[in-house]
Amino acid sequence: DVKVTQSSRYLVKRTGEKVFLECVQDMDHENMFWYRQDPGLGLRLIYFSYDVKMKEKGDIPEGYSVSREKKERFSLILESASTNQTSMYLCASSFAEDRGLYEQYFGPGTRLTVT
Amino acid sequence: AQSVTQLDSHVSVSEGTPVLLRCNYSSSYSPSLFWYVQHPNKGLQLLLKYTSAATLVKGINGFEAEFKKSETSFHLTKPSAHMSDAAEYFCVVRVYNFNKFYFGSGTKLNVKP
Repeated sequence: DVKVTQSSRYLVKRTGEKVFLECVQDMDHENMFWYRQDPGLGLRLIYFSYDVKMKEKGDIPEGYSVSREKKERFSLILESASTNQTSMYLCASSFAEDRGLYEQYFGPGTRLTVT
Repeated sequence: AQSVTQLDSHVSVSEGTPVLLRCNYSSSYSPSLFWYVQHPNKGLQLLLKYTSAATLVKGINGFEAEFKKSETSFHLTKPSAHMSDAAEYFCVVRVYNFNKFYFGSGTKLNVKP
């Protein structure tokens, strides 16, 4: 079974703190994604990475950065947390385009509260 | 432009009755289509996928969906709802040759005893 794990299920941080969310997958997937999920808005893509050290902005990258130093690990960084970043954060991974297997596999999510 | 519309934000059915969750998409390219389910405080789990093979796709837990290109729809159905089906369901479009997934806003399914 594919396993995508996230470092924390629940996190509470203060405004202005630097926050790290970690994601690890064990299926040798090339692609990794970070989404945020808010009620009524579905999932919105923050960043994705298609290879080590490669990244592309998604739909809502402002206030976030990412790091992918190893194939299995993709980190989301909130440089200076703000209350409007309170949300559920979901990590996902998938094979590269040319494998013909397109589905994403999701981690359990991190519910972040910024006070 | 690509987009996904889930036509109902909430659907309520009685246990044992059919389920219909509606999804329409727009895509300039040949899409891959997915349905995911999310139980409370859990990640998303893949139910089924369409990737240009058979238009009627069977998934896990008795769910199936039919790809109708003329109607740009990919509705999710199940003949008989079970209490454990209560969850939120997401329709997702992936555009061919692009590494982007477009999510609908979700449909919450409530199953009454």
